[in-house]
Amino acid sequence: EDKVVQSPLSLVVHEGDTVTLNCSYEVTNFRSLLWYKQEKKAPTFLFMLTSSGIEKKSGRLSSILDKKELFSILNITATQTGDSAVYLCAGGNTGGFKTIFGAGTRLFVKA
Amino acid sequence: KAGVTQTPRYLIKTRGQQVTLSCSPISGHRSVSWYQQTPGQGLQFLFEYFSETQRNKGNFPGRFSGRQFSNSRSEMNVSTLELGDSALYLCASGAGTGDGYTFGSGTRLTVV
Repeated sequence: EDKVVQSPLSLVVHEGDTVTLNCSYEVTNFRSLLWYKQEKKAPTFLFMLTSSGIEKKSGRLSSILDKKELFSILNITATQTGDSAVYLCAGGNTGGFKTIFGAGTRLFVKA
Repeated sequence: KAGVTQTPRYLIKTRGQQVTLSCSPISGHRSVSWYQQTPGQGLQFLFEYFSETQRNKGNFPGRFSGRQFSNSRSEMNVSTLELGDSALYLCASGAGTGDGYTFGSGTRLTVV
C-alpha cells in the first residue's frame, strides 16, 4: 500500500533556529515529491522534486530528494514566526492521478 | 488568473442527508482531485478526475462519489451523511501530470 510518512509530527523552535522536516515515501510508479505549507485552509505549493540530489531553494526554504533511500527533507533556516504552519509532503505517481499525502509536521516558531 | 474556487465555503447538514460540493479548477487544468481533511486523519485522498474520467479512487465508502463535467468543473456528492463526515473538503486542480496541484480554500462540512 502506498504511504508517505512525515517526522516529526510536531516541532517547537525559537525564531532564528534552523529546522529539518523529514518525509519518507513508498509510492508505486513514483514520479514526484511535493511539499506544501498549510496555514489556515488551502495548502500552498512549495516545491516539486523529481530528481535525486538536486536541491531546490526558495529564500530560506530548501528541499532535496533521495530516490534511492526514498526520502526527502525540507530545511528552513533562520525561522520566523510566519513559518508557523503545517508542512505537508506528498508523493505523486506517474500520470499524476494519485497523490498521497503524509500526516504533516506542525511547526510552531516562538518569538 | 483565477484560482481554484470551491462552493459553498461552509455547510451544515443533518445526519442522513446528502450534500453536493462544487469545485471550479484553474482555467486550462484538466485534473481535479478531492481530499478530506480531519484533525485526526490528515489529508485523505478521495478521488481524481481527468477529462471527465475518474482515474483513481481512495479508500472511502461508496457514499462518496464525484463527477467531472466537460468544462473540467467537478462535483463531489456524499449521501446518507454521518457525523464522521464532518471535515474540510479540499479540491485541487492541476495539469494532470503529477507536477503539483493548486488547492482551493475548501468547503467545511459540519454534520449534526
